[in-house]
Amino acid sequence: GESVGLHLPTLSVQEGDNSIINCAYSNSASDYFIWYKQESGKGPQFIIDIRSNMDKRQGQRVTVLLNKTVKHLSLQIAATQPGDSAVYFCAEINDSGTYKYIFGTGTRLKVLA
Amino acid sequence: SAVISQKPSRDICQRGTSLTIQCQVDSQVTMMFWYRQQPGQSLTLIATANQGSEATYESGFVIDKFPISRPNLTFSTLTVSNMSPEDSSIYLCSASEGDEQYFGPGTRLTVT
Repeated sequence: GESVGLHLPTLSVQEGDNSIINCAYSNSASDYFIWYKQESGKGPQFIIDIRSNMDKRQGQRVTVLLNKTVKHLSLQIAATQPGDSAVYFCAEINDSGTYKYIFGTGTRLKVLA
Repeated sequence: SAVISQKPSRDICQRGTSLTIQCQVDSQVTMMFWYRQQPGQSLTLIATANQGSEATYESGFVIDKFPISRPNLTFSTLTVSNMSPEDSSIYLCSASEGDEQYFGPGTRLTVT
């Protein structure tokens, strides 16, 4: 099926290497951030979240880093696997109470065998 | 986490017609959202749909074009009215549990 990542920036990583996907967010007042993974033909899937009172959070094989000074968010994937190939979006909530997300532009991750 | 289904999964429609997309959540949720995702692009919020109140539309989206229903805490519909080829897109619904949002698989709409 048609990929949702046709025109998005692409990161190519060798299988087994670590991946770092970056995101710049828009609002310094945003207090909650999420990374989503979207595979072709599917809806976004929650990976990991972080609140603004933290600068790092770890999950299983994934780590999110938050730098509020420069409004930057990154997703690190350890030992990248072919199943990690997808489009990755960051999202921020910048209007607390409305639960409305603002999505970043997305990055397509390609894992090379 | 909430499990969300959408119907139809895809459709091809003629310009000038309307399509209603259904979104079903497996648990009761207060807030549901509708997004549009054009090919190769990110997600854009169309509207927020809360049960018992009118949907709240984002800038650039209007009720006449995208009427939304939210009859109960597990279901919502989005209608794409008087379609044109520019409406060809993926339409996604999501449900909020606290700060986290869970997404349906999307409806891929092609307007010819």
